[in-house]
Amino acid sequence: KQEVTQIPAALSVPEGENLVLNCSFTDSAIYNLQWFRQDPGKGLTSLLLIQSSQREQTSGRLNASLDKSSGRSTLYIAASQPGDSATYLCAGRYIQGAQKLVFGQGTRLTINP
Amino acid sequence: NAGVMQNPRHLVRRRGQEARLRCSPMKGHSHVYWYRQLPEEGLKFMVYLQKENIIDESGMPKERFSAEFPKEGPSILRIQQVVRGDSAAYFCASSPPGVRGHSGANVLTFGAGSRLTVL
Repeated sequence: KQEVTQIPAALSVPEGENLVLNCSFTDSAIYNLQWFRQDPGKGLTSLLLIQSSQREQTSGRLNASLDKSSGRSTLYIAASQPGDSATYLCAGRYIQGAQKLVFGQGTRLTINP
Repeated sequence: NAGVMQNPRHLVRRRGQEARLRCSPMKGHSHVYWYRQLPEEGLKFMVYLQKENIIDESGMPKERFSAEFPKEGPSILRIQQVVRGDSAAYFCASSPPGVRGHSGANVLTFGAGSRLTVL
């Protein structure tokens, strides 16, 4: 069964800290893994997409890694800011049933000024 | 490029009424996906469509729900005889066609969602 899990469900850190969000997925047969940001009452903003052949992607203060063998991805946020407060979702796109993104439950991140 | 457009953004219906949610994909995108996000839950796949074809509807409830993506016009998710449990955010995403028409490696772009409240 294709499942994506995110732990913790919620995280609160002081401004300026570096932090890591975790995502684990069953079945290593994925096309790609994508990280999204969702603000309350809003849609999804794509942050980073890692293809299965890649190990990491970087965009500004964000760095996402992918380890297919262990079924894990991490999103690293450097020098966190209050504006980073949001729910972060990871989603795997599997080779079998590749039309579907399988989402984790999300990590609700709060950055305290 | 206006992105993926969904309307209405908010919809209130009474039990037993019908809800119609519309999604216009990004220009050049021919693949549309619908996802549902129940309160305090993650997004769940509902249906995947290409123009005039339902490709995968394995996530659609068996009754009351239907989706279409006509040759002209937006994709529509239709919920008949709504119940309170249908209250959720419904997100549409689109992607371009991929190699041999398979979109496996293409990025999905999501709309802002339509929030349905059933009274």
